[in-house]
Amino acid sequence: SQQGEEDPQALSIQEGENATMNCSYKTSINNLQWYRQNSGRGLVHLILIRSNEREKHSGRLRVTLDTSKKSSSLLITASRAADTASYFCATDLNTGTASKLTFGTGTRLQVTL
Amino acid sequence: NAGVMQNPRHLVRRRGQEARLRCSPMKGHSHVYWYRQLPEEGLKFMVYLQKENIIDESGMPKERFSAEFPKEGPSILRIQQVVRGDSAAYFCASSPPHSPLAFFGQGTRLTVV
Repeated sequence: SQQGEEDPQALSIQEGENATMNCSYKTSINNLQWYRQNSGRGLVHLILIRSNEREKHSGRLRVTLDTSKKSSSLLITASRAADTASYFCATDLNTGTASKLTFGTGTRLQVTL
Repeated sequence: NAGVMQNPRHLVRRRGQEARLRCSPMKGHSHVYWYRQLPEEGLKFMVYLQKENIIDESGMPKERFSAEFPKEGPSILRIQQVVRGDSAAYFCASSPPHSPLAFFGQGTRLTVV
């Protein structure tokens, strides 16, 4: 199976609720990143967390990283309809650079009014 | 500072034709990456280039696919004798040296008919 697998594959919530997505990976990493992709569009970088960090915040986003379990979670608080998108985690395979990022299959988030 | 620019956004080719996808990195970025995304899947790494050099092409099919990043001008991903299975979204990303952050373009959606 591939590096970087997200779950759930799909998530549907109502506006105002929190959304939690998880990502697991298999090899050692330097960094883990989360990206958002709106339907038919490119990827937007959300947040990067380094392997020596456990938690990071950016606005309504909270990312955690557990290197012992090789897993990360992305929490979006007080979701909005505009958060509807696919969310991907990406790992850098211990290169420390953007080269050869490995993406998971993504979580499709639907936020309804 | 314009983002990563890809063109065309949509490309339709008949089986056996050639497809040329262009990518202009962000100003000051000397590293370019190409990824392919099949429907409902995550992005898969294809090739990593620096100016006039291919650094890592381990994700690129050995036949029919080639990439270049000349000293002047955009990076080009070239697919010869396209087949239906080449239909996908092709994304380009760029980054400055020694950075784990990759900035993505809007992608080129290739349809082979």
